[in-house]
Formats: sequence, C-alpha cells, structure tokens
Amino acid sequence: QQQVKQSPQSLIVQKGGISIINCAYENTAFDYFPWYQQFPGKGPALLIAIRPDVSEKKEGRFTISFNKSAKQFSLHIMDSQPGDSATYFCAASSSGGSNYKLTFGKGTLLTVNP
Amino acid sequence: DVKVTQSSRYLVKRTGEKVFLECVQDMDHENMFWYRQDPGLGLRLIYFSYDVKMKEKGDIPEGYSVSREKKERFSLILESASTNQTSMYLCASIRQGGNYGYTFGSGTRLTVV
Repeated sequence: QQQVKQSPQSLIVQKGGISIINCAYENTAFDYFPWYQQFPGKGPALLIAIRPDVSEKKEGRFTISFNKSAKQFSLHIMDSQPGDSATYFCAASSSGGSNYKLTFGKGTLLTVNP
Repeated sequence: DVKVTQSSRYLVKRTGEKVFLECVQDMDHENMFWYRQDPGLGLRLIYFSYDVKMKEKGDIPEGYSVSREKKERFSLILESASTNQTSMYLCASIRQGGNYGYTFGSGTRLTVV
C-alpha cells in the first residue's frame, strides 16, 4: 500500500521556468511533510518542510503548498536553474509515534535545461 | 555538521553470502534508519532503531536483520544475499526531538551476483 503518491515521475523544465511536483497522501494522521533533494551519488538532503497548520511555506525559490482537505501537497521551484536538476522526494510522517519514521514518495527526476 | 558515514560506497557480493553494511553517525542521534532505494520505487524502509539494542521492522524487512550495539553504529545484515537485494542502501539518523530532518549517508551500492 503506497501511502504517499508522487507525480510526475520525471519533469523537464527550461531555465527560468517553474517546476511543480505533486504529492498526495492517504493517512490522515500524517502531520509533517518534508521534501528531500538528491543529487547523483549523494544521499537525500532535507530541502523544505511544512506542517498542516499552514497552507504555504516559502524558502527562497522553493515553496510548499498544502491542501489539508484534499490531502495533497506540492513543491514549486520558481526560476528553475540547471543546478536544481536532481531527484526530489516528498515524504510524510506522523508525530503520534515517537519513531520519526518517514514514508517517501517514489521520487521525481527534475531536469532543468539551460 | 552531522555526518553519517557508510563504510562502503560500492560492494559486490555473491549469492548466498552474508553481507554486513555499516553505518556510523557522529552526533549522538538516538534514531537510525536503513532504507533501500530502487528506480521507480523511491525509498523503502527496511529497519529502524530508536535506541541501543532496540529495533523495529520497517516496510520491507524480509531477508534483512539489523544490529545496534552502540549508539553511533547501526548495521544492516543480509543473512543470505540474493540477486533481488541488489540496490542502493541508505542509512539515516535524527536526534530525539529533532525537526524530522533526517541526515542521510551517501549510500552503499550493493550488487549481488
């Protein structure tokens, strides 16, 4: 059972464009939604995260939009740059447990063309 | 910065071998995790540990075991390696009370032949 569904699987964007990656979750107990960025040969690194008490969080060119009623959240990368080319994973977790276990989406390979 | 070190970057093992993947973190984190990463499947949790000698099964524990004898070290064991365990293995850690931002190692790419 896939608890976090991520789309698209791959995405090609021109430099300066907006990259949008979407995720949907099923478990209503999830209350923490991070995004990870992974470059080739590296482990994933935390990019930005949101909790459901806000509908949007922005850090520089990266924005998370969160829709609690639809159980969806998305990552927007404004003014996309070739250096943003990486694999992006959404994830979700429930603070009801104490084990910090994250459930990840399947990932999106983003390519930003110069 | 927190550092999570995985002992091997690449490993090639034969079917049936017992394989040990080692992970060490240097920031006294209580929680440690082992994930495997496969194309199109994302990251799937194998096992995790929230304290020394404590372990819990993740989503795909079959064929694996773990050991946590010291707080800084979390080992993944493939009792009898099989070709379907060829994958990228990622270790991660986070401290109790942390902001859920895992620190990942760089991964071990295991090939079972």
